[in-house]
Amino acid sequence: TQLLEQSPQFLSIQEGENLTVYCNSSSVFSSLQWYRQEPGEGPVLLVTVVTGGEVKKLKRLTFQFGDARKDSSLHITAAQPGDTGLYLCAGEGGSNYKLTFGKGTLLTVNP
Amino acid sequence: DAMVIQNPRYQVTQFGKPVTLSCSQTLNHNVMYWYQQKSSQAPKLLFHYYDKDFNNEADTPDNFQSRRPNTSFCFLDIRSPGLGDAAMYLCATSRDFAGQGNQPQHFGDGTRLSIL
Repeated sequence: TQLLEQSPQFLSIQEGENLTVYCNSSSVFSSLQWYRQEPGEGPVLLVTVVTGGEVKKLKRLTFQFGDARKDSSLHITAAQPGDTGLYLCAGEGGSNYKLTFGKGTLLTVNP
Repeated sequence: DAMVIQNPRYQVTQFGKPVTLSCSQTLNHNVMYWYQQKSSQAPKLLFHYYDKDFNNEADTPDNFQSRRPNTSFCFLDIRSPGLGDAAMYLCATSRDFAGQGNQPQHFGDGTRLSIL
């Protein structure tokens, strides 16, 4: 069974600070997806990383896929209260039909 | 503009009283999933359909059933809800299985189920 370890589980920071969320596994994934879920809503896809070493940027968010495709990180620069939510990483390739989800990082950005 | 729609957004039922949650999609995706999510944890897959083929996760209680009468609609039936079934229930779709590569899932906004 493939597992994705996500850290930290909880993060509370002040507006303007930078942060990094990690998603690690001992297994290889063919791709990795990052979702953000705001309170009371469903998860929304932010990005999919496919190639080892790939870096994708989405405004203040930078996503990186490890060279060996076993880990990924999400870096947020100058966090804003609107970034508050549950960040989930999910890997493809561990199963032939379903995603393997990390346990999530609950981010709170205080004004 | 909504592509995966869940109804109702909030459902309150009594202990042991059957309840049905619904999901519809306008994406014409082959796969539909039902997840259970508790208090800011990761979604837990209950079951999924590929077209009309139904697949149950091994640890999904027998209390949970599902129906997919056509491509667009999928239902989650909880036959005798217990207090432990109070949760957010999320429906999601994808064009194909995760194993096919680069298959993002599109989630609805969920139904929050409360048990009295």
